Amino acid sequence: DAKTTQPTSMDCAEGRAANLPCNHSTISGNEYVYWYRQIHSQGPQYIIHGLKNNETNEMASLIITEDRKSSTLILPHATLRDTAVYYCIVPRTSYGKLTFGQGTILTVHP
Amino acid sequence: NAGVTQTPKFQVLKTGQSMTLQCAQDMNHEYMSWYRQDPGMGLRLIHYSVGAGITDQGEVPNGYNVSRSTTEDFPLRLLSAAPSQTSVYFCASSSGGYQETQYFGPGTRLLVL
Repeated sequence: DAKTTQPTSMDCAEGRAANLPCNHSTISGNEYVYWYRQIHSQGPQYIIHGLKNNETNEMASLIITEDRKSSTLILPHATLRDTAVYYCIVPRTSYGKLTFGQGTILTVHP
Repeated sequence: NAGVTQTPKFQVLKTGQSMTLQCAQDMNHEYMSWYRQDPGMGLRLIHYSVGAGITDQGEVPNGYNVSRSTTEDFPLRLLSAAPSQTSVYFCASSSGGYQETQYFGPGTRLLVL
């Protein structure tokens, strides 16, 4: 997978927006950006993905810069249940190379 | 849909014992895979399958066997358990290739004594 860089940890107050950044400067033109999260002791959960346009679903919004070298995952109204490790992934190689790095530990405080 | 299911949820084995971790999906996905996650670490791919009858090795295949006789099931076999295989095991499935969304099961926690 293309290398991605995320902050190790972030904090957010409950009810506020959580903005999680990711750098993927080596991304190629046809590669998607995927976001997953892993709540403690559970399997990873798909959140959202995008190519070049901003995307929104019931869970989050994804903002991709025009040069596609970075993106931001936005949880508009964070809750305590959003406390998790968030992974930004750019799948590149053949199937089976989905690489989960260290991700960002998001802690939502009351 | 139940999605991806895994059994058992917890298992304790003695060194040298064998066992099979079960994984099933009801989404008619062609692609299935097994990952392991050690404490504080990311997921590492063990084996994967791109369809019934087709399997291949991932990043850490040693000590594990897989087979894929049906689209729905993808069991992972530990032939002779070792303490180094103590981990949490996740099964995942997707409908297409590497740029398709993967759906993960709840995991099996394995302790090898």
